Amino acid sequence: AQKITQTQPGMFVQEKEAVTLDCTYDTSDPSYGLFWYKQPSSGEMIFLIYQGSYDQQNATEGRYSLNFQKARKSANLVISASQLGDSAMYFCAMREARRANNLFFGTGTRLTVIP
Amino acid sequence: ETGVTQSPTHLIKTRGQQVTLRCSSQSGHNTVSWYQQALGQGPQFIFQYYREEENGRGNFPPRFSGLQFPNYSSELNVNALELDDSALYLCASSLKNPQGRSEQYFGPGTRLTVT
Repeated sequence: AQKITQTQPGMFVQEKEAVTLDCTYDTSDPSYGLFWYKQPSSGEMIFLIYQGSYDQQNATEGRYSLNFQKARKSANLVISASQLGDSAMYFCAMREARRANNLFFGTGTRLTVIP
Repeated sequence: ETGVTQSPTHLIKTRGQQVTLRCSSQSGHNTVSWYQQALGQGPQFIFQYYREEENGRGNFPPRFSGLQFPNYSSELNVNALELDDSALYLCASSLKNPQGRSEQYFGPGTRLTVT
């Protein structure tokens, strides 16, 4: 079974609008962390935001926020006020406490910001 | 920029050959992980090194091997190259134990093409 599922291969958003990128996960480990990374065409994975399974509040980092719904096992990324520079691949990833040395990645969503 | 560097940036090899990829960790980080990212996919965990020893391995055959040096730099070696080994190879450094909020910092990757 896939540990991380990203069902949106591609998304388009108008500049200055908000966009939500979906991510669902599967784990039986009660302790885990969820990450979102941005990968521009240059290839480098850029860390955006982190959510721990025991965190009571949704994580926020500037224009990025994570909509964490534990019961639904979803961890959607919300980007507010989209900018042209946000166009990139976005990956959701999970790390389980019992396998803390391994990040499981989804297949990614390509976001295109339209001027 | 994360401070993680990789070399070379691009490489073309012939099937059956051997290749060595290099990674220099971010200052202060003692753990390095390697990932393989095939075209159109998310990164997949190859292995992790901590204090010069392998500290976890993904579903990759033994012809994928690695080294970590006292200065925490690392090498990924792949023997008997196959066409399917063509991918972007990403190195990520972190602090052991990567629990909680600490994230892995990725380098720009090495794009390997096997012909």
